[in-house]
Amino acid sequence: KQEVTQIPAALSVPEGENLVLNCSFTDSAIYNLQWFRQDPGKGLTSLLLIQSSQREQTSGRLNASLDKSSGRSTLYIAASQPGDSATYLCAVRAAGAGSYQLTFGKGTKLSVIP
Amino acid sequence: DTGVSQNPRHKITKRGQNVTFRCDPISEHNRLYWYRQTLGQGPEFLTYFQNEAQLEKSRLLSDRFSAERPKGSFSTLEIQRTEQGDSAMYLCASSLGGGESYEQYFGPGTRLTVT
Repeated sequence: KQEVTQIPAALSVPEGENLVLNCSFTDSAIYNLQWFRQDPGKGLTSLLLIQSSQREQTSGRLNASLDKSSGRSTLYIAASQPGDSATYLCAVRAAGAGSYQLTFGKGTKLSVIP
Repeated sequence: DTGVSQNPRHKITKRGQNVTFRCDPISEHNRLYWYRQTLGQGPEFLTYFQNEAQLEKSRLLSDRFSAERPKGSFSTLEIQRTEQGDSAMYLCASSLGGGESYEQYFGPGTRLTVT
């Protein structure tokens, strides 16, 4: 059974700092990995998707990397801003016919202090 | 707005009552997913539709839960005889395809409180 772990559970940084969020998964047989942002009481906003054959994806100040063999992904946020404060979730989709579900970690709650 | 929409956004019900939630996916998306999220946890998969066919169900989807997507467009999730443990955020997602390059896009969720 796939398990996804995110460390740290919470992180507080001053505005302008670069930061890294970590995600690990137990089964390396994955189709893809998605990073999401969730604001309190809201739904999920997709940030980046990395396919199993890819090593990284970039969008603006965000860069996500994937090391499938070691079961790890990182989300790098450059020049953090107070508006980046949210919970960040990673999710993996297992490889294999007929499986479309995402398995999520519990998230990292990020606070960016002005 | 052409994103995934869910109604209602909030629902308070008494234990034992039935509730129904609706999800409207992004218009051209033929894949639709339901997840449940409790406080402090990541979402957990419930079920998946490809067009109108329900192709995957989690063991979390007990016999009190039923989901439909009658015409391959919107979907409904019904919970019968609600229990306090059903209190959660119910999230719907959709995707254009099932390959590894297709992202799942989520709606705002329906927050259910069972009293």
